[in-house]
Amino acid sequence: AQSVTQLGSHVSVSEGALVLLRCNYSSSVPPYLFWYVQYPNQGLQLLLKYTTGATLVKGINGFEAEFKKSETSFHLTKPSAHMSDAAEYFCAVSDDEGGADGLTFGKGTHLIIQP
Amino acid sequence: DVKVTQSSRYLVKRTGEKVFLECVQDMDHENMFWYRQDPGLGLRLIYFSYDVKMKEKGDIPEGYSVSREKKERFSLILESASTNQTSMYLCASNTGGLLYEQYFGPGTRLTVT
Repeated sequence: AQSVTQLGSHVSVSEGALVLLRCNYSSSVPPYLFWYVQYPNQGLQLLLKYTTGATLVKGINGFEAEFKKSETSFHLTKPSAHMSDAAEYFCAVSDDEGGADGLTFGKGTHLIIQP
Repeated sequence: DVKVTQSSRYLVKRTGEKVFLECVQDMDHENMFWYRQDPGLGLRLIYFSYDVKMKEKGDIPEGYSVSREKKERFSLILESASTNQTSMYLCASNTGGLLYEQYFGPGTRLTVT
């Protein structure tokens, strides 16, 4: 069985500061990894994904994540936080190459941006 | 532009009622999913379907059933609603393979009183 752990249910950073949201996973096979963002009263939107190839993945809105197999991690970063980044962030994993089995999500991290 | 729509944004039902949540996607996706989202628990998979008339249980199927009579439509059914089913319900769809992104609808916030 696969699982996802997101460290910190709430993370607060100052505008312009580095954003680091942590995600660790467990999977018995090479994983497919995702970060989704949810703005208030909206559905989830894909930020970025790792399937194969380059371990540093760039996504939308200046976010990136690095897949580290030895650490079973897929942390999300952004060099400089913006007020519009305030949202809920979810890390997710799947071991199904076909995409049909659904995703296993972490519990989410609420990102707060201080002015 | 890809689109997943859900029939209601907000729904209030009484305990014991039969509840239908509808989801429609316009992307010709094979796979469709129903998740439940609760604060502090993230998203949990209820049911999914990889083809018309096919369904598979997810992690928390108890108290729910689903129906997929057409490729574009996936319905979640609460046979007898209970207060512990008060939650946000999210529908998603994707096509197979490494393309893989799941597209989500806006969600239905269901309150059972």
